Amino acid sequence: EVVLTQSPGTLSLSPGERATLSCRASQSVSSTYLAWYQQKPGQAPRLLIYDTSSRAAGIPDRFSGSASGTDFSLTIDRLEPEDFAVYFCQHYGDSRTFGQGTKVEIK
Amino acid sequence: EVQLLESGGGLVQPGGSLRLSCAASGFTLSPYVMSWIRQVPGKGLEWVSAITHYSDDTYYADSVKGRFTISRDNSRNTVFLQMNNLRAEDTALYYCVKGSARTRPYYFDHWGQGTLVTVSS
Repeated sequence: EVVLTQSPGTLSLSPGERATLSCRASQSVSSTYLAWYQQKPGQAPRLLIYDTSSRAAGIPDRFSGSASGTDFSLTIDRLEPEDFAVYFCQHYGDSRTFGQGTKVEIK
Repeated sequence: EVQLLESGGGLVQPGGSLRLSCAASGFTLSPYVMSWIRQVPGKGLEWVSAITHYSDDTYYADSVKGRFTISRDNSRNTVFLQMNNLRAEDTALYYCVKGSARTRPYYFDHWGQGTLVTVSS
């Protein structure tokens, strides 16, 4: 089964900075079926990105996703205070596993 | 507005059983795969089980296979998770989650707020 490894574990940044989160698959996978979820404390996860680069309804355009081979990225341009949260990636081609998460915290 | 409301969690002794329910509103349940995903507070997400739109197929994580049973009642817009022979390691917040399609590949586009299951003596 595909293992997704997210890095870094924690990203310490200031509001207004750019965040780049990585999600690497352990084997060759379709570059199409990658989703990103955001989870804030005490809340359920929320879909941000699907099909690797499509934003879910209501997600601002400062969030973007991309892929290069088995490496997937989530970029958040100009971090807003509400963006500090934990982010999970998930490949939904042939598995349902999630990455272990990256916490974006205020520096 | 899509809403998923879980219920049925609680404290149970090891070896006991619980039945979780998920009441869906704001959409018609029948065309979509529905799943349960769990999370130990402060930890990662673990997919537990899924059921296809007309209950033709059910899927389970190895960690719960043979102990948990997923089912759905499309007429009541409700999904269930029967959990038997519970173990301490099943302690988690259980989310009911809507899939984006009727079959794979699908992502998880709507999540409930979760119901807490605690397995302890």
